[in-house]
Amino acid sequence: GNSVTQMEGPVTLSEEAFLTINCTYTATGYPSLFWYVQYPGEGLQLLLKATKADDKGSNKGFEATYRKETTSFHLEKGSVQVSDSAVYFCALSDNYQLIWGAGTKLIIKP
Amino acid sequence: EAGVTQFPSHSVIEKGQTVTLRCDPISGHDNLYWYRRVMGKEIKFLLHFVKESKQDESGMPNNRFLAERTGGTYSTLKVQPAELEDSGVYFCASSQSLGHNSPLHFGNGTRLTVT
Repeated sequence: GNSVTQMEGPVTLSEEAFLTINCTYTATGYPSLFWYVQYPGEGLQLLLKATKADDKGSNKGFEATYRKETTSFHLEKGSVQVSDSAVYFCALSDNYQLIWGAGTKLIIKP
Repeated sequence: EAGVTQFPSHSVIEKGQTVTLRCDPISGHDNLYWYRRVMGKEIKFLLHFVKESKQDESGMPNNRFLAERTGGTYSTLKVQPAELEDSGVYFCASSQSLGHNSPLHFGNGTRLTVT
């Protein structure tokens, strides 16, 4: 069946560091791919998405490119801020459901 | 516009008791979803309503879980009797229509602890 694997956390970085959170997937067909974020005390929010191969999703300085050849959708940001501290979830669409990764907690230290 | 709201935000109950979680979707959203995250693991789909009808309940773990959406507005998820492994965060989401161009809006979740 379809599945999503993302790097375990927590990931701890200093402010202004470069961020990569790895996400790989297994899927039949051509799912859409998503990154969701959960800030402390809040609900899940869509961060970005890509609907087909080679699409790049971007938002708030974050980017991820849908790589069909490597079945990956890695999340990147060039310079993180303390306010980016949150849990990040990679997900794919499967018949109107979402299949989720386990989440990666990101901690940014000033 | 008001977002998706879930009640309660936290619930602590003993094994064998009953708990009912509530979700109020965004007004006008026909699609309502329940997901849960157990013990810091991946979020798992539970079920999907379209208006008052259960479109897909393939993720419901067992018959101790009962979801309803009477009148196609708010939804409840009842766990009876609760077991220790039911502990986790239960998320509700709604969307206006099906498909990936209609974004999912999530509530803040209900953290359930079964002792």
